[in-house]
Amino acid sequence: SQTIHQWPATLVQPVGSPLSLECTVEGTSNPNLYWYRQAAGRGLQLLFYSVGIGQISSEVPQNLSASRPQDRQFILSSKKLLLSDSGFYLCAWRGVVYTGELFFGEGSRLTVL
Amino acid sequence: AQKITQTQPGMFVQEKEAVTLDCTYDTSDPSYGLFWYKQPSSGEMIFLIYQGSYDQQNATEGRYSLNFQKARKSANLVISASQLGDSAMYFCAMRLTTFGNEKLTFGTGTRLTIIP
Repeated sequence: SQTIHQWPATLVQPVGSPLSLECTVEGTSNPNLYWYRQAAGRGLQLLFYSVGIGQISSEVPQNLSASRPQDRQFILSSKKLLLSDSGFYLCAWRGVVYTGELFFGEGSRLTVL
Repeated sequence: AQKITQTQPGMFVQEKEAVTLDCTYDTSDPSYGLFWYKQPSSGEMIFLIYQGSYDQQNATEGRYSLNFQKARKSANLVISASQLGDSAMYFCAMRLTTFGNEKLTFGTGTRLTIIP
């Protein structure tokens, strides 16, 4: 069966520090992968998605970037965090059935101070 | 552009009663899919149910059903016989099913609290 994992689960970072969130998927090959952000009390905002290794599409211009160095690995990064980057970050992969629902990881809660 | 609207920020429902969570959407594209997700306090997003725009019947999954009214552009989630474990945030989402479209757009969510 397919599984998706994110880490770290929680982190507290000072403004201006770098960020790296990792996501890996097991049990499937060449999945479509996604990074979403959820601000406190709000819905999910799509940040990036990837349909293959090295292929990244950005939905919202910001100081975040994403990379896909391996088929089942998706990384969210920042060189210098802003206060507004605080939130709950969710990685997801798209199911292979025709409905195409997304399956999400456990999430990473980022607090920028 | 596609838009999802959930007008109920919060709802309180007595245990064992049925509950309807509202969702309206806006798109000019005839081909799309509608999704409902549950987010417990742990934060994980759990897929509940899917409805395609060309599906003739309303989708059902156990205690979950989707009241799909295409002309009104609404896709309300109905939970029958609510349980304490149903307390969570619920999100409605939509994706256009045109080839190559990858964007799943979410509403702002409804926080459901089941009262014992």
